[in-house]
Amino acid sequence: DADVTQTPRNRITKTGKRIMLECSQTKGHDRMYWYRQDPGLGLRLIYYSFDVKDINKGEISDGYSVSRQAQAKFSLSLESAIPNQTALYFCATRGFEDGYTFGSGTRLTVV
Amino acid sequence: QKEVEQDPGPLSVPEGAIVSLNCTYSNSAFQYFMWYRQYSRKGPELLMYTYSSGNKEDGRFTAQVDKSSKYISLFIRDSQPSDSATYLCAMSSSGAGSYQLTFGKGTKLSVIP
Repeated sequence: DADVTQTPRNRITKTGKRIMLECSQTKGHDRMYWYRQDPGLGLRLIYYSFDVKDINKGEISDGYSVSRQAQAKFSLSLESAIPNQTALYFCATRGFEDGYTFGSGTRLTVV
Repeated sequence: QKEVEQDPGPLSVPEGAIVSLNCTYSNSAFQYFMWYRQYSRKGPELLMYTYSSGNKEDGRFTAQVDKSSKYISLFIRDSQPSDSATYLCAMSSSGAGSYQLTFGKGTKLSVIP
C-alpha cells in the first residue's frame, strides 16, 4: 500500500456540486497538507493540519474546507465547485525531520 | 519578485548528458532546501534535502546551495531516459519546525535516448 493514498484519482463534477477528496496515510506523521497544482502556477497550499485539533488556512483556502477525522485521515471539501477549481490536488504528510511525502493526486475537473 | 524563481523549461537533453537545474530565491530566511521529482500523473517525491551551503551528492545527483547568492542547483550526471520528469525546488525557513514549504514552479526535463 502507498504511504499516502488519495481517493478518487479522477473526478468530473458539475458546477455547484459539493465534492470531497479523501486522503489517508500510513506514515504516522502528525502534519498533513492539501495542495493544488496548476500549470504555470506550481504547488499552492490550501490547508494544513498539525494534529486532529489543529487546522490552518494556507495560501488559497477560499472555497475549500477540510476535516481531520483522525491522525491518518485528512479530507478536502469543495462546498460548491466552480470551474476555476479544476486542478490536480495533492495531499501530503511531513515528518519532523523529513521532506514531504505526497499522494498520487486527484485530478478534478469542474464543468 | 516571487520568493522562488525556477525556469520552467522544457529542457531536452541527450542521454548521458550532464543536466543543471536551478532556482533562485529572495527570502534570506530560507535555510532548508529540497529537490523533488515528479513523474507524469504522480505526486512529487523527495530527491535531495540539504540545509547547508556547499554540495551534497547522492549517486548521480548533486545538490548545490549558495546562500550568499541565494541560488540552488541540482546536477544530474549521466542522465537517463528514466530521469525524464518535472523537477521542483522547495525551501523553508526552519526545516524541522517549519509548517510550510515554498515551491518553485518546476522544470520539465526530457532525456532523449
